[in-house]
Amino acid sequence: EAGVAQSPRYKIIEKRQSVAFWCNPISGHATLYWYQQILGQGPKLLIQFQNNGVVDDSQLPKDRFSAERLKGVDSTLKIQPAKLEDSAVYLCASTPGLANYNEQFFGPGTRLTVL
Amino acid sequence: QKEVEQNSGPLSVPEGAIASLNCTYSDRGSQSFFWYRQYSGKSPELIMSIYSNGDKEDGRFTAQLNKASQYVSLLIRDSQPSDSATYLCAVRGGGSGGSNYKLTFGKGTLLTVNP
Repeated sequence: EAGVAQSPRYKIIEKRQSVAFWCNPISGHATLYWYQQILGQGPKLLIQFQNNGVVDDSQLPKDRFSAERLKGVDSTLKIQPAKLEDSAVYLCASTPGLANYNEQFFGPGTRLTVL
Repeated sequence: QKEVEQNSGPLSVPEGAIASLNCTYSDRGSQSFFWYRQYSGKSPELIMSIYSNGDKEDGRFTAQLNKASQYVSLLIRDSQPSDSATYLCAVRGGGSGGSNYKLTFGKGTLLTVNP
């Protein structure tokens, strides 16, 4: 079974530029999560999708971050414009459903550096 | 705001010793508790989950949960250098509403096992 795929693995941009990250969850997983992990901290949930609907985006900085999962499968997270403090690893995870899961399966992450 | 607190460490133990990692959480309604291991530059991977008060053992790992004290711990017996990693405590709420099922992570404890 293929795991969660993410691309790109690394990205370096200048502040005020735009960037997009892509995630393809495990086949059949209805729930998809985007996390931001700043160096030395635990992952922080940015947005949670159930199929193509948003379940929770309370910690997503909506003035600059956006995410979509139009067909309920893969997802894109965008930052526009980027700030220095956005430098972090962006992790995507998936689970079969919202509840009663034992494990969130994480992708390898995208390491973003904003200069 | 649901909070999960961990000692950031670093925690250093000699090979063969017992490593003890602790975590407290603020939401008394939390139902599920997880320990993830994260090697440097890698994504988190689940090593233990616990749902009811008491101890749960899996090989060299023992998770302990005390809901009254809002405390969860992880013991690693016979620590090996390969156990050197950051250990993340994660807590999931309960009840209805999709957002209640999201994971809240602590900042993680860096464990170093010295040969």
